[in-house]
Amino acid sequence: DTEVTQTPKHLVMGMTNKKSLKCEQHMGHRAMYWYKQKAKKPPELMFVYSYEKLSINESVPSRFSPECPNSSLLNLHLHALQPEDSALYLCASSQGQGAGETQYFGPGTRLLVL
Amino acid sequence: EDQVTQSPEALRLQEGESSSLNCSYTVSGLRGLFWYRQDPGKGPEFLFTLYSAGEEKEKERLKATLTKKESFLHITAPKPEDSATYLCAVQAAHNQGGKLIFGQGTELSVKP
Repeated sequence: DTEVTQTPKHLVMGMTNKKSLKCEQHMGHRAMYWYKQKAKKPPELMFVYSYEKLSINESVPSRFSPECPNSSLLNLHLHALQPEDSALYLCASSQGQGAGETQYFGPGTRLLVL
Repeated sequence: EDQVTQSPEALRLQEGESSSLNCSYTVSGLRGLFWYRQDPGKGPEFLFTLYSAGEEKEKERLKATLTKKESFLHITAPKPEDSATYLCAVQAAHNQGGKLIFGQGTELSVKP
């Protein structure tokens, strides 16, 4: 089973709202990722967690706040977003964080910021 | 600088018309090349991982091959359900945390 689940599937929020995206995997993977994908573009890496610790932050604005409560869960807290943050947010996981590890993606959360 | 280039950007095929998608890469110390399929509005679906030149992998109508400079995704007798965007990505030895470097994708349309 290579399933990564994400909730919600769709989210509409105003620029003053606070919301959270959730990602879950039960494959025993120890690395989890957040990506942002705009239309007709490839995914862009935002954050990487390895063994529940933040290991990479790709200079993402502080209005995006990741959290890894345990090895199966990954959250992305959103606050004071801008309309240009509207995108498909993808979660992925891999066995480890080493090079050559295959990343498995979830179905994504479609976010619209008004 | 590590770079991945996919061609063509878009490909339209008739059902049953076999073809190939190309992924050219320049990276120092390839640690893995990955092919994904992505349907509109959905997350990328993993297809193949290739690690070294000469390696080939197959799955149904798809076959991925790897050389020292490029990878091909061969599609044999495609069906309309093969229509999707195909993404190629690489990982380099020096990449922190297994970061994927993606190409821009090839949008495949298969008409009945």
